[in-house]
Amino acid sequence: ETGVTQTPRHLVMGMTNKKSLKCEQHLGHNAMYWYKQSAKKPLELMFVYSLEERVENNSVPSRFSPECPNSSHLFLHLHTLQPEDSALYLCASSPGQINSPLHFGNGTRLTVT
Amino acid sequence: AQTVTQSQPEMSVQEAETVTLSCTYDTSESNYYLFWYKQPPSRQMILVIRQEAYKQQNATENRFSVNFQKAAKSFSLKISDSQLGDTAMYFCAFMSYPTGNQFYFGTGTSLTVIP
Repeated sequence: ETGVTQTPRHLVMGMTNKKSLKCEQHLGHNAMYWYKQSAKKPLELMFVYSLEERVENNSVPSRFSPECPNSSHLFLHLHTLQPEDSALYLCASSPGQINSPLHFGNGTRLTVT
Repeated sequence: AQTVTQSQPEMSVQEAETVTLSCTYDTSESNYYLFWYKQPPSRQMILVIRQEAYKQQNATENRFSVNFQKAAKSFSLKISDSQLGDTAMYFCAFMSYPTGNQFYFGTGTSLTVIP
């Protein structure tokens, strides 16, 4: 039990498909994050939600759409993606306090064909 | 802007030996936290160790310790008595007080422990 669960573990989708990534945390944390991990690049912060309100959005293309219905769940809705969007998508949570580390899920390996 | 640099894309170490992974960062902030995360093949990022910038004493967690040099903006990770289970990607990360929820990561170092 990792505390942060991501589904699916692997996803292959065409550029015209619509899919969603799901993240669930069982740690009672107040903040949730989406990160994109590409080879040989730093982890790229996509979205941050704190107490279910989006507090960070690093100019991510609109083909990525986050949703945080409550403090335990986070979704990333995908539509009309490009091949360069293929990456490992990591969800993380934190208590929201200033010195708190991130707790990560196992990630979703996304391949866009 | 904050940046984190890990200059060693790949490293290897013999089992039971000691290895040091380097990390430098650039910031104008004076209050911040530094972290090392491990990402094994299972892909889950696991916190290894963290350091508060206001503390002069280097953090240690069992076989893992850091060499934090604030003036040089350097934050290296030393792994003693390396074990096969230490094989993983290691990421250095920075978080500053003002930005709160914003973590900055390096590109990672792939460590292989050789039996």
